[in-house]
Amino acid sequence: AQKITQTQPGMFVQEKEAVTLDCTYDTSDPSYGLFWYKQPSSGEMIFLIYQGSYDQQNATEGRYSLNFQKARKSANLVISASQLGDSAMYFCAMREVTGNQFYFGTGTSLTVIP
Amino acid sequence: DVKVTQSSRYLVKRTGEKVFLECVQDMDHENMFWYRQDPGLGLRLIYFSYDVKMKEKGDIPEGYSVSREKKERFSLILESASTNQTSMYLCASSGEQGAAGGEAFFGQGTRLTVV
Repeated sequence: AQKITQTQPGMFVQEKEAVTLDCTYDTSDPSYGLFWYKQPSSGEMIFLIYQGSYDQQNATEGRYSLNFQKARKSANLVISASQLGDSAMYFCAMREVTGNQFYFGTGTSLTVIP
Repeated sequence: DVKVTQSSRYLVKRTGEKVFLECVQDMDHENMFWYRQDPGLGLRLIYFSYDVKMKEKGDIPEGYSVSREKKERFSLILESASTNQTSMYLCASSGEQGAAGGEAFFGQGTRLTVV
């Protein structure tokens, strides 16, 4: 079974609007971390935001927030007030405390329309 | 500023050649990873290392080997390059997972073309 599922291969959003990128995960480990990365066309992977499985509140970093719904095993990324520079691939990832490796989804390509 | 550096940004090699991709990190991280990225498939783990001289296979280790002789350096080796190994290769490192995050830091990627 896939550890991380991103069901939206491509998304479009109008500049200044908010957008939600979906991510569901699968683990039986009670302790894990969830991460979102941005990959612009230049290819670098940029860390955006982290959520721990025991964190009570949703993580926020500037315009990024993580909508963490533990019972649904969902960790959606919300980008508010989209900017043209937000156009990129976005990857959701998970790391279980019992292992060291990171599991990545297949990514969502976001295009911000002026 | 934390850094993971991959030796080449672009590489073109011939079928059957032995190819070395080098990765160096300056964060004293225990864990280092090699991923392969292909369109529609996301990042797939080839190998990772949790300590010097220690390694574990990831999801797609066939055709690859790795070497970690020093903590800061993790090398990916294509023993006999084939055209189906044409891809983007990403190196990453991380510390132990903890309350602070433990995110992976990535190099700039190596786009390898095997002809």
